[in-house]
Amino acid sequence: SQKIEQNSEALNIQEGKTATLTCNYTNYSPAYLQWYRQDPGRGPVFLLLIRENEKEKRKERLKVTFDTTLKQSLFHITASQPADSATYLCALALSGGYQKVTFGTGTKLQVIP
Amino acid sequence: EAGVTQFPSHSVIEKGQTVTLRCDPISGHDNLYWYRRVMGKEIKFLLHFVKESKQDESGMPNNRFLAERTGGTYSTLKVQPAELEDSGVYFCASSQPLFGPNTGELFFGEGSRLTVL
Repeated sequence: SQKIEQNSEALNIQEGKTATLTCNYTNYSPAYLQWYRQDPGRGPVFLLLIRENEKEKRKERLKVTFDTTLKQSLFHITASQPADSATYLCALALSGGYQKVTFGTGTKLQVIP
Repeated sequence: EAGVTQFPSHSVIEKGQTVTLRCDPISGHDNLYWYRRVMGKEIKFLLHFVKESKQDESGMPNNRFLAERTGGTYSTLKVQPAELEDSGVYFCASSQPLFGPNTGELFFGEGSRLTVL
């Protein structure tokens, strides 16, 4: 069956360090992968999109990689800040256009001042 | 421009009752999704509309759940009769299709929290 798994445990890091979150998938061949941030009591908010033919994407302090051979995406937050504390979700779609989007289990990140 | 709105934000009902959740997507978004987050678990896909048509309803738990999207605008999700395990937060999201430079980004509502007693 298809699975999208993220770091199951919460991730605690010191302010200023780089946080690295993992998204692994099985039995999928996604056309693209997205990362979202979710704060308590709120809906997820889109951060980045990376397509299957792209290896890396950057946006300000965020960097995403996509390795279709390893079936893995890594999400990095550099120079992390306490305000980055949230749950981060990866999401996959098998195709573009009118696509079904499936979410991973999510990783809770805590940045300690 | 208004975002995705959901109503009610919180509903408490007894087992066996009926609840209807409503979602108003962003105007012009063809894709509309329903997801559910049960305490401590992932956001699970329920179904996907493209305009007024159900594109994929493989995540709907059982026939106690009925979703509609009138004229390709707002959507409702009815649970009848509600069971204890239906408790959770129901999220609605809308998007434009991923073509060209579009990111296919999902815009989420704030969710409808359902508590079944």
